[in-house]
Amino acid sequence: GAVVSQHPSRVICKSGTSVKIECRSLDFQATTMFWYRQFPKQSLMLMATSNEGSKATYEQGVEKDKFLINHASLTLSTLTVTSAHPEDSSFYICSAGGSGTVSNQPQHFGDGTRLSIL
Amino acid sequence: GENVEQHPSTLSVQEGDSAVIKCTYSDSASNYFPWYKQELGKRPQLIIDIRSNVGEKKDQRIAVTLNKTAKHFSLHITETQPEDSAVYFCAVRGYSTLTFGKGTMLLVSP
Repeated sequence: GAVVSQHPSRVICKSGTSVKIECRSLDFQATTMFWYRQFPKQSLMLMATSNEGSKATYEQGVEKDKFLINHASLTLSTLTVTSAHPEDSSFYICSAGGSGTVSNQPQHFGDGTRLSIL
Repeated sequence: GENVEQHPSTLSVQEGDSAVIKCTYSDSASNYFPWYKQELGKRPQLIIDIRSNVGEKKDQRIAVTLNKTAKHFSLHITETQPEDSAVYFCAVRGYSTLTFGKGTMLLVSP
């Protein structure tokens, strides 16, 4: 089945640092990928839809200048948390599948990145 | 936008019992309804899904039923085992994005 790889799995860094998270679809091409954020004991909240070759679509309330998304190829999307602060600490998960050229496939998730800002 | 309600938020059962989790949604155009299981600190894993042209789907101990008229769908787990303990999320997809329910923490006691 479809596999989505995400890394790093864990990041601990100082406030003000920018952090890049990578999401790769390993055995299929994904014109669309999704980025979610999950706080402890809460559900997954969609942050943005990453579109290959074009601008990402951000959900209401998500700062596009804070969370930079780049989807430069059909198998890679990156999320950069710029000038991270403690309130950005969360579990970030990407997913792919279920839309665009692979709309008949289920949506599969990466392993997630636990971001801790000190 | 889509609104997904999931109940109950927590569910405790004895090993061997059945567990049922229910979700309702608001957009009648939604056509895909997956269920995910998430263990602590791990990614959500798809356990079963159903499309709008099907009323019921079963995979061993897990089944999902869909009532499009009433806009609700349910996850049924039979003969529960301790390893079924996790958080379960329902989700709904209309055009391209998934909207998740708030999750149900299932605890199966030996």
